[in-house]
Amino acid sequence: DGGITQSPKYLFRKEGQNVTLSCEQNLNHDAMYWYRQDPGQGLRLIYYSQIVNDFQKGDIAEGYSVSREKKESFPLTVTSAQKNPTAFYLCASSIIGGTYEQYFGPGTRLTVT
Amino acid sequence: SQQGEEDPQALSIQEGENATMNCSYKTSINNLQWYRQNSGRGLVHLILIRSNEREKHSGRLRVTLDTSKKSSSLLITASRAADTASYFCATVAIHTGANSKLTFGKGITLSVRP
Repeated sequence: DGGITQSPKYLFRKEGQNVTLSCEQNLNHDAMYWYRQDPGQGLRLIYYSQIVNDFQKGDIAEGYSVSREKKESFPLTVTSAQKNPTAFYLCASSIIGGTYEQYFGPGTRLTVT
Repeated sequence: SQQGEEDPQALSIQEGENATMNCSYKTSINNLQWYRQNSGRGLVHLILIRSNEREKHSGRLRVTLDTSKKSSSLLITASRAADTASYFCATVAIHTGANSKLTFGKGITLSVRP
């Protein structure tokens, strides 16, 4: 899983609570990404960031928020506004330019009941 | 939006056989990449092919790209039980500059029977 860590691996929350997923990388990559994966589905982009203090919405940003205060860290908050938050969340990073090959963390499985 | 579509959705083969997986995409690309995901884990980059390349090899992997048909195939030769995983193609669209990012397909589930 390269130099990207995600914690925790499993997370359980009650409906209506906000929850923050951690993502840290030591690859010195400028770009970081958050994806959501549902069973049997591909990856859908939630947010991405190419520089500190800046980020862009992906295809399914509603109900999520992010911050990028440090180059190494890109936490994702799943808010109570997200209607179906139970999913597998993957964080990735890449250099900017070139091939955009991405390096992935091990993922966090979030279950909301 | 998901650009790549893999085919078949699921593939089951015997150990030692070859596995061929296909990917089609819609827009012009800069490059196409294949990733592997073991169950419950993150994705791992396998191989990349640029738009001006037609074929690349890496160990038991062979990838081809046909830009006129907007399609790619991944061949795994002499498969092993350890190759059991999901495989995704991902594309980088051309002319997107600083906003370039990968667009993933839905993936192919490969099962290799011992």
